[in-house]
Amino acid sequence: AQKITQTQPGMFVQEKEAVTLDCTYDTSDPSYGLFWYKQPSSGEMIFLIYQGSYDQQNATEGRYSLNFQKARKSANLVISASQLGDSAMYFCAMREAPGASKIIFGSGTRLSIRP
Amino acid sequence: GAVVSQHPSRVICKSGTSVKIECRSLDFQATTMFWYRQFPKKSLMLMATSNEGSKATYEQGVEKDKFLINHASLTLSTLTVTSAHPEDSSFYICSARDGGRLAGGSDTQYFGPGTRLTVL
Repeated sequence: AQKITQTQPGMFVQEKEAVTLDCTYDTSDPSYGLFWYKQPSSGEMIFLIYQGSYDQQNATEGRYSLNFQKARKSANLVISASQLGDSAMYFCAMREAPGASKIIFGSGTRLSIRP
Repeated sequence: GAVVSQHPSRVICKSGTSVKIECRSLDFQATTMFWYRQFPKKSLMLMATSNEGSKATYEQGVEKDKFLINHASLTLSTLTVTSAHPEDSSFYICSARDGGRLAGGSDTQYFGPGTRLTVL
């Protein structure tokens, strides 16, 4: 069965520093997709970045990059130059197989940026 | 692009009443929509998968007679909490799947802003 693990329940980071949020996954399917979502206190889930299991390069979207280490089954999110507005819950998620509908979420990491 | 709206954003109702929550994809067609429930400080729990024109697929442990889902069109799915009780109070979030046409083919789910239901 597929599983997503986020081992950091909470993190505090100084503004302008880079931060890495950990995510490991477990799946027996060779084809899968990995996502990161941000949930601010307002509750909305904001899509940040996507990595396909066959993608050759690590995904990047502005200040977000995904450190994809397939052999270790990890998909850590790196936020460069953190900002106060980055304070939120961050969820790692996975979808198995192309076309599969369901995605499962990790337990989340609450990131707090200190001014 | 990829905007999903949800209405209402907040609802307070008396025990025993039914509440309908709407989820709309505003700028894309969503053949599949999903309904999640989130308890405070917890992750999202998938309740059901809603496919346009067919019956919803419910996750194990979710009462389909309690949580009625209708996917009437490619842009609208509704969740009706029937005979709501205080234990149904929660944050309900919908998402819509883009089918790979957006975000470079990632087949991403885009989420609505959520509905906070409080049953008195």
